Amino acid sequence: GAVVSQHPSRVICKSGTSVKIECRSLDFQATTMFWYRQFPKQSLMLMATSNEGSKATYEQGVEKDKFLINHASLTLSTLTVTSAHPEDSSFYICSALAGGNNYGYTFGSGTRLTVV
Amino acid sequence: KQEVTQIPAALSVPEGENLVLNCSFTDSAIYNLQWFRQDPGKGLTSLLLIQSSQREQTSGRLNASLDKSSGRSTLYIAASQPGDSATYLCAVSQGGSEKLVFGKGTKLTVNP
Repeated sequence: GAVVSQHPSRVICKSGTSVKIECRSLDFQATTMFWYRQFPKQSLMLMATSNEGSKATYEQGVEKDKFLINHASLTLSTLTVTSAHPEDSSFYICSALAGGNNYGYTFGSGTRLTVV
Repeated sequence: KQEVTQIPAALSVPEGENLVLNCSFTDSAIYNLQWFRQDPGKGLTSLLLIQSSQREQTSGRLNASLDKSSGRSTLYIAASQPGDSATYLCAVSQGGSEKLVFGKGTKLTVNP
């Protein structure tokens, strides 16, 4: 079945630094990838939709200059949290959409970000 | 704006029981509905996907139904096992958009 690899699974960083999270579709091409944020005991909130070769589309209220998304190939999308602050601490999850006969959403295992 | 609600928020049952999780959505113009499972601190695992033209999907002990006109879906789990303990999330996608809107989930605990 479709597999999405997300790294790192956990990261602790200091305030003011930047953190990059990678999301790779291992055995399929994903023209569209999604980035979510999840707070404890809350649902997934969509942050942005990433399409290969074009600029990401951000949801209302999400700062595009703070959460940089790059979708350079059909198998890789990255989310960079710039100048991280403690309030950015959260669980970030990516998802890749496969088309055709294998249509469906496959999620990464998530990244726990802690900003100290 | 689409809103997805899941009831109950938490459910605890003894092993072997059959159970039903509920999901409702406010805008019936959906493209599909999907049920996911999330284990603590992990990503999501897709369980069942129902296209808007379908009424139900089955996989093993799981059966998901969809009543688009009333904005409801149920996930039926037969003969529950402790390994079924997890949070179950319902999500819908709108026609013309591939974005998923999630409910807050139902945390299921199956006691041995």
